[in-house]
Amino acid sequence: GAVVSQHPSRVICKSGTSVKIECRSLDFQATTMFWYRQFPKQSLMLMATSNEGSKATYEQGVEKDKFLINHASLTLSTLTVTSAHPEDSSFYICSARERGKEGTDTQYFGPGTRLTVL
Amino acid sequence: GESVGLHLPTLSVQEGDNSIINCAYSNSASDYFIWYKQESGKGPQFIIDIRSNMDKRQGQRVTVLLNKTVKHLSLQIAATQPGDSAVYFCAENSGTYKYIFGTGTRLKVLA
Repeated sequence: GAVVSQHPSRVICKSGTSVKIECRSLDFQATTMFWYRQFPKQSLMLMATSNEGSKATYEQGVEKDKFLINHASLTLSTLTVTSAHPEDSSFYICSARERGKEGTDTQYFGPGTRLTVL
Repeated sequence: GESVGLHLPTLSVQEGDNSIINCAYSNSASDYFIWYKQESGKGPQFIIDIRSNMDKRQGQRVTVLLNKTVKHLSLQIAATQPGDSAVYFCAENSGTYKYIFGTGTRLKVLA
């Protein structure tokens, strides 16, 4: 099956620094990737939709200047949390939609990245 | 707004028994539904999906039922095992390739 990886799996940073999280589709091309945030004991909340070669579409309430998304290739999307603060601490999960199978809506999820901001 | 919700936040089941996890959705235009399993500290794992032109779909030990009349979705797990312990989410396709996730149900399998 389709595999999505994320790097790093865990990151701890100081308040005010920026953190970059990578999401890769390992064995398929993804025209669309999604970034989610999940707080403890809560559901996944979609942050943004990332399309290869174009600007990301952010959900209401998500600051685009704080959460920078780049989808430079069909297998890589990055999320940069800029000037991170403790309230940004969360579990960030990406998913990818496989290219070419437009009739297929299945998203494949990455293993997540645990961000802790001190 | 549109939402997908679950009736029970926690479900405890004896090992070997069948589990039923329920989900209610509100968007009658949704045409694709997915169940995911999430273990602690990991990303969601696809379990089974169903399209709105079906009312039942079976996988290995799992069955998803869709009742469009009452906008209800359920996941049945047969012969529940300790490894089934996790949080289960239903997700709804809103038609723009974006998934709307339910609040989740924690399944606890009792030995």
